[in-house]
Amino acid sequence: KAGVTQTPRYLIKTRGQQVTLSCSPISGHRSVSWYQQTPGQGLQFLFEYFSETQRNKGNFPGRFSGRQFSNSRSEMNVSTLELGDSALYLCASSLVRGLAIPDTQYFGPGTRLTVL
Amino acid sequence: QKEVEQNSGPLSVPEGAIASLNCTYSDRGSQSFFWYRQYSGKSPELIMFIYSNGDKEDGRFTAQLNKASQYVSLLIRDSQPSDSATYLCAVNWIKAAGNKLTFGGGTRVLVKP
Repeated sequence: KAGVTQTPRYLIKTRGQQVTLSCSPISGHRSVSWYQQTPGQGLQFLFEYFSETQRNKGNFPGRFSGRQFSNSRSEMNVSTLELGDSALYLCASSLVRGLAIPDTQYFGPGTRLTVL
Repeated sequence: QKEVEQNSGPLSVPEGAIASLNCTYSDRGSQSFFWYRQYSGKSPELIMFIYSNGDKEDGRFTAQLNKASQYVSLLIRDSQPSDSATYLCAVNWIKAAGNKLTFGGGTRVLVKP
């Protein structure tokens, strides 16, 4: 079974621009979560989508947004880019199971965003 | 603010020895706990998860959970140079609210031949 895929893998943008990142989950996985990883802050949760609805949101400004499509693929958008948005953006998918069993998240390779 | 704490390391371990990694968390209501391994320049890779008190073994890895003391640990037996990586502890607070992992800062492990 193919893993989580993310496109593009690398991206260079300038301040003020916007960017859209894409994530295709593992087949059958309906939950997609996005994380930001930086050397200073580590791995931080951005948001989670399930059945095309945002189910959870982290503490990031409104410049960060996302959506999920009916095939579970997800995109995240960052508008008005700032230097501090330079990071590895990771997408993770999980198979949503019953409440008694934890959902395990599997990460994609990430998109390395550099803001100049 | 829910927090997950890990010693940043590096934890230096001779080849063949046991590496012991610890993680503490702040919220007693936490439900599930995950260990990920991340090689430099790569994305996190799931090692195992645990959600009941006690030990859970998977190959050379053993996760231990103590909810009363609010810590979870990972033992790596017969450590190999290929185990050199950063190990991330992650906590999902309430599954009913969905998937929202909070990660610790990670422990860097160096296995020396």
